[in-house]
Amino acid sequence: SYELTQPPSVSVSPGQTASITCSGDKLGDKYACWYQQKPGQSPVLVIYQDNKRPSGIPERFSGSNSGNTATLTISATEAMDEADYYCQAWDSNTAYIFGSGTKVTVL
Amino acid sequence: EVQLVQSGAEVKKPGESLKISCKGSGYSFTRYWIGWVRQMPGKGLEWMGIIYPDDSDIRYSPSFQGQVTISADRSISTAYLQWSSLKASDTAMYYCARLDGDTSMEAWFDPWGQGTLVTVSS
Repeated sequence: SYELTQPPSVSVSPGQTASITCSGDKLGDKYACWYQQKPGQSPVLVIYQDNKRPSGIPERFSGSNSGNTATLTISATEAMDEADYYCQAWDSNTAYIFGSGTKVTVL
Repeated sequence: EVQLVQSGAEVKKPGESLKISCKGSGYSFTRYWIGWVRQMPGKGLEWMGIIYPDDSDIRYSPSFQGQVTISADRSISTAYLQWSSLKASDTAMYYCARLDGDTSMEAWFDPWGQGTLVTVSS
């Protein structure tokens, strides 16, 4: 079955850039999206179709996808960005797959 | 505003049955797939299955096939997730979410319901 692998944690200082990776076999041939989940809240879509931002999502969130890795980048990170982030893709055999999740800590 | 509102938290005993709901509003409910996602305590997101309310076409994750039943009542814009015999390992938060995008390959889940916490304990 298809799997998406994320680092368990990423730390970033306020105002700096955080990069969260999501790895999967030929992931660049698929579309990736990203969700933010804060403690006690439902997931929120922050990136879809690799690099598109839904309405209301700050411009500091951006995405890319190439080769075997999709990346969510948070520029000028703010304290409110501290959350768990999950990537998601679709595979013809496994259907909808979520990554293992990355906890972003803003130090 | 597109919104999914889920039924409230449940506390059940092992072996009991349960049906939780997810009501959509603010959009044409029958024209979008609705998905169910499990999140066990302290763990990540797991896709369980999706349903197309217009004709009740259902796709299950192999991990959940036979373990749960997904259904929908288009007349009241509501999707359901049910168990016939709960286990302690079913304790989790369950989310419904609307599936958007023109094809399966590009699809994403947005928005999400507020979640229904299911606790199974003797």
